[in-house]
Amino acid sequence: DAMVIQNPRYQVTQFGKPVTLSCSQTLNHNVMYWYQQKSSQAPKLLFHYYDKDFNNEADTPDNFQSRRPNTSFCFLDIRSPGLGDAAMYLCATSTGSYEQYFGPGTRLTVT
Amino acid sequence: AQSVTQPDIHITVSEGASLELRCNYSYGATPYLFWYVQSPGQGLQLLLKYFSGDTLVQGIKGFEAEFKRSQSSFNLRKPSVHWSDAAEYFCAVGATGNAGKSTFGDGTTLTVKP
Repeated sequence: DAMVIQNPRYQVTQFGKPVTLSCSQTLNHNVMYWYQQKSSQAPKLLFHYYDKDFNNEADTPDNFQSRRPNTSFCFLDIRSPGLGDAAMYLCATSTGSYEQYFGPGTRLTVT
Repeated sequence: AQSVTQPDIHITVSEGASLELRCNYSYGATPYLFWYVQSPGQGLQLLLKYFSGDTLVQGIKGFEAEFKRSQSSFNLRKPSVHWSDAAEYFCAVGATGNAGKSTFGDGTTLTVKP
């Protein structure tokens, strides 16, 4: 089945230690998104790629970076995680016009 | 700018009872409207969507929603709730020409009593 896959599902990192989260998709969608979701809150869009064009949300901290080496893969890099970055990170895809398809998320813990 | 309001933070219903989750949106043109469901520790799953046409849309898991332009609402309904419906529900509004970006409401947590 076509899907959005996120690895790992659970990630523990130390304060200040860089971490990379991975997302892959078999839907061949143009757009890939990264969201941060804290407990009992709506997903907060960090950035998205439309094909190779990177689009950062205005309030996304510089600590968060992303790479999209090809259509299928997208990575979220957190350069120096702080305790406030502990959250669920969701990857989603779309054709650019309609609904989004979400992965299962990566739960990030910062110790 | 588009926005979404889900007035109910938490709703509790008994199993077998009917359900209605409210969603109000603000958008200048005809919006694209979505309902997503999120089980604990999982990603969001699309329940249903409205783009145009029939204002009553059917979704998965027995859910339906009705678009009411005059009230700027897109309420989610289910005639008989099952215990497995307990989850977080998000309403979202999107638009074309915006890379498919959607604005999400803050969500409604549904608890189902046996």
